[in-house]
Amino acid sequence: DAGITQSPRHKVTETGTPVTLRCHQTENHRYMYWYRQDPGHGLRLIHYSYGVKDTDKGEVSDGYSVSRSKTEDFLLTLESATSSQTSVYFCAIRTNGLFTDTQYFGPGTRLTVL
Amino acid sequence: SQQGEEDPQALSIQEGENATMNCSYKTSINNLQWYRQNSGRGLVHLILIRSNEREKHSGRLRVTLDTSKKSSSLLITASRAADTASYFCATAATQGGSEKLVFGKGTKLTVNP
Repeated sequence: DAGITQSPRHKVTETGTPVTLRCHQTENHRYMYWYRQDPGHGLRLIHYSYGVKDTDKGEVSDGYSVSRSKTEDFLLTLESATSSQTSVYFCAIRTNGLFTDTQYFGPGTRLTVL
Repeated sequence: SQQGEEDPQALSIQEGENATMNCSYKTSINNLQWYRQNSGRGLVHLILIRSNEREKHSGRLRVTLDTSKKSSSLLITASRAADTASYFCATAATQGGSEKLVFGKGTKLTVNP
């Protein structure tokens, strides 16, 4: 699992409330990613980071912000959660080396916005 | 979009049979990868094939890549019930100076014992 943990693993919240999801890695990888997975859409990239304080938008970034103040943690924030953000969120890291483009995924966070 | 599209969306076979899944994409890629996802779990990387490669093997997995047709196939030989999972192709290409993976919607494979 490349030392990736996500917290919380499950969360139920109400529309309009802020939510922060945390991804933690233990192996000092430079690249980290946040995806959401929805039926019929596969995985879609929300934001990614290529270093401390270096982040960029993905395909579905509206309504989400991220922060990376240290290498091991990548936070995804929903400033004001909406029902359309009900989804399973996966964090991933990208390894360096022979398979430079391989990504390893965390176990996911199931978020329900009521 | 360069998004890969898997075909079929769902596949049901008997244990011992071979399973073939296909992936098509739209733009030039650096490499193509296949991932597996068991129900309720994260994705697990299976195999990567670079754009200058045509075929790759890993255990019971065989991947082919045809860049002229912008397509790839994943063959699982002698399938087992434990192979039941969703399989995703992901294309890697450089966009805006950085390399990103774009995932398809997946093929749901069921292997019946």
